[in-house]
Amino acid sequence: DAGVIQSPRHEVTEMGQEVTLRCKPISGHDYLFWYRQTMMRGLELLIYFNNNVPIDDSGMPEDRFSAKMPNASFSTLKIQPSEPRDSAVYFCASTLSEAGNEQFFGPGTRLTVL
Amino acid sequence: SQKIEQNSEALNIQEGKTATLTCNYTNYSPAYLQWYRQDPGRGPVFLLLIRENEKEKRKERLKVTFDTTLKQSLFHITASQPADSATYLCALERASWGKLQFGAGTQVVVTP
Repeated sequence: DAGVIQSPRHEVTEMGQEVTLRCKPISGHDYLFWYRQTMMRGLELLIYFNNNVPIDDSGMPEDRFSAKMPNASFSTLKIQPSEPRDSAVYFCASTLSEAGNEQFFGPGTRLTVL
Repeated sequence: SQKIEQNSEALNIQEGKTATLTCNYTNYSPAYLQWYRQDPGRGPVFLLLIRENEKEKRKERLKVTFDTTLKQSLFHITASQPADSATYLCALERASWGKLQFGAGTQVVVTP
């Protein structure tokens, strides 16, 4: 398996633009997580899905952020409009539904909003 | 509020020595504690998991302890090598499965 796949790897955009980050989880995994990592706040959970259904989005910072999972092999995180403070590395991770299971992380998308 | 604390200062250690990292938590009752390794420009990679009823877990040169009374986990890298240089993150999870909450991580630098 190729592991968790994220695209793009780097994104530079201007304030006010829409940004869409993409994730393909490991085949067979039924949980998918979106994280954001910054120097100031570390690794924060934004939202997670189980069987394509959003379970907890309490970490989503604002209404500007939205996430979807239309099927078991694809998820998107959208920021509209983007702001400079959204600059961070965004990770997607997946796992099988069992407490204590390890999470498999993608390589991340480094987002820079100018 | 829940808090997870890891040493914010980098740990500089000589090759062959044992590196010991600390993960302290407050206002939390985790059922599981996980350790991850993160290299620059990459996502975290799972290393070890220890359950609340376990005192110690080992995997090759890695050892994790978990003291729920002290609310602390120690992570040891024995016979450290330059290839062990990375940031190490601890993460806590409650029994009712759901989120992992991560600490900020500790950078380890192993010099030859």
